[in-house]
Amino acid sequence: AQTVTQSQPEMSVQEAETVTLSCTYDTSESDYYLFWYKQPPSRQMILVIRQEAYKQQNATENRFSVNFQKAAKSFSLKISDSQLGDAAMYFCAYRSRKPRANDMRFGAGTRLTVKP
Amino acid sequence: GAGVSQSPSNKVTEKGKDVELRCDPISGHTALYWYRQSLGQGLEFLIYFQGNSAPDKSGLPSDRFSAERTGGSVSTLTIQRTQQEDSAVYLCASSIYRAGTEAFFGQGTRLTVV
Repeated sequence: AQTVTQSQPEMSVQEAETVTLSCTYDTSESDYYLFWYKQPPSRQMILVIRQEAYKQQNATENRFSVNFQKAAKSFSLKISDSQLGDAAMYFCAYRSRKPRANDMRFGAGTRLTVKP
Repeated sequence: GAGVSQSPSNKVTEKGKDVELRCDPISGHTALYWYRQSLGQGLEFLIYFQGNSAPDKSGLPSDRFSAERTGGSVSTLTIQRTQQEDSAVYLCASSIYRAGTEAFFGQGTRLTVV
């Protein structure tokens, strides 16, 4: 089974600075999808960014970008110009592309604090 | 509705009682997931439904947990004889069954067993 590891339980960043959250995963598949979700105190999980494994180009969404290293099975999230509203739990997730894929796997999460 | 709806938002129950948690997925979403999130922790996969296929129940922690999905839409997660360790947030998510699509989450049910 695929596993997703987030080795940083907590991270802190100064407002307007840049922070990188780490994620590694284990899979024997060659084609899959990776996601970063944000969970603010409201508990509502929000998709931040997605990456398709067959694409070499790193995905970007405004201030959010990823560093996808397929050979290393690494998928880090970079948040630029951090804002107070970025404070939340961030989860890395893996989804198989195989037909009848049966679930999405999530890491344990990283709690991000943004200091004013 | 516009999003995934879960009810109740909060539930306090006495140890040993049975509880039912409900999830209304987004209309047209054939895939439905249940996850459990203990305080400050990650998401623990519980069960997955996809269309009319047999559900993947591999994440259910014990036989006290069961789930059903009627008519391919609404799902109910049932916990029998609740224990204090069952206290957690139970999250439901749904998605279109198409490669690459993300799952959309409800706001969860916070279950407290006293």
